[in-house]
Amino acid sequence: DTEVTQTPKHLVMGMTNKKSLKCEQHMGHRAMYWYKQKAKKPPELMFVYSYEKLSINESVPSRFSPECPNSSLLNLHLHALQPEDSALYLCASSQELGPYGYTFGSGTRLTVV
Amino acid sequence: GENVEQHPSTLSVQEGDSAVIKCTYSDSASNYFPWYKQELGKGPQLIIDIRSNVGEKKDQRIAVTLNKTAKHFSLHITETQPEDSAVYFCAASFGGNNRLAFGKGNQVVVIP
Repeated sequence: DTEVTQTPKHLVMGMTNKKSLKCEQHMGHRAMYWYKQKAKKPPELMFVYSYEKLSINESVPSRFSPECPNSSLLNLHLHALQPEDSALYLCASSQELGPYGYTFGSGTRLTVV
Repeated sequence: GENVEQHPSTLSVQEGDSAVIKCTYSDSASNYFPWYKQELGKGPQLIIDIRSNVGEKKDQRIAVTLNKTAKHFSLHITETQPEDSAVYFCAASFGGNNRLAFGKGNQVVVIP
């Protein structure tokens, strides 16, 4: 299995809702990432997990809460989001945290209404 | 942090011609340079990468060259095909944990 699987593919949520994005990989990768991508822009790093521990938080607002239950799973919990948080949320993984190629999922298209 | 400049922002080529995208980076300690292709509705896909101890790498119609002295690297696509139409992102590693900094992306359009 050489894929990163993200669910759901599309999500529409109200500003008072709580939802979660899920990411799964079975490549034995020990680093996992959350990125946010706006239209016609490059991916922006949000969080990095290395060996299931949070290594990097790019000063992301607390309404985004990451979780890494095990080495194959990565979640992003969403609460009280704003319309400007609407974007494509990408999960990625790599062999380890370091100079290695990332495998990206297809993303979750999030719309906040 | 690292700054990666990518140009041109849009590139249109006739099918069969070559396409070249150039990136420059600011951190002389960068040692890993991947290129990603992103098609509409999909996540970025790693297509080729190069490390700082190598000057050039080729994989079928795709090649990457690295000039460490000038701190720039380029993606070369030969014999372009319509399926090469996509947004291409360059990236460079930086920092103690070698995280990636992405360029702004380049829209390549291959005209049949």
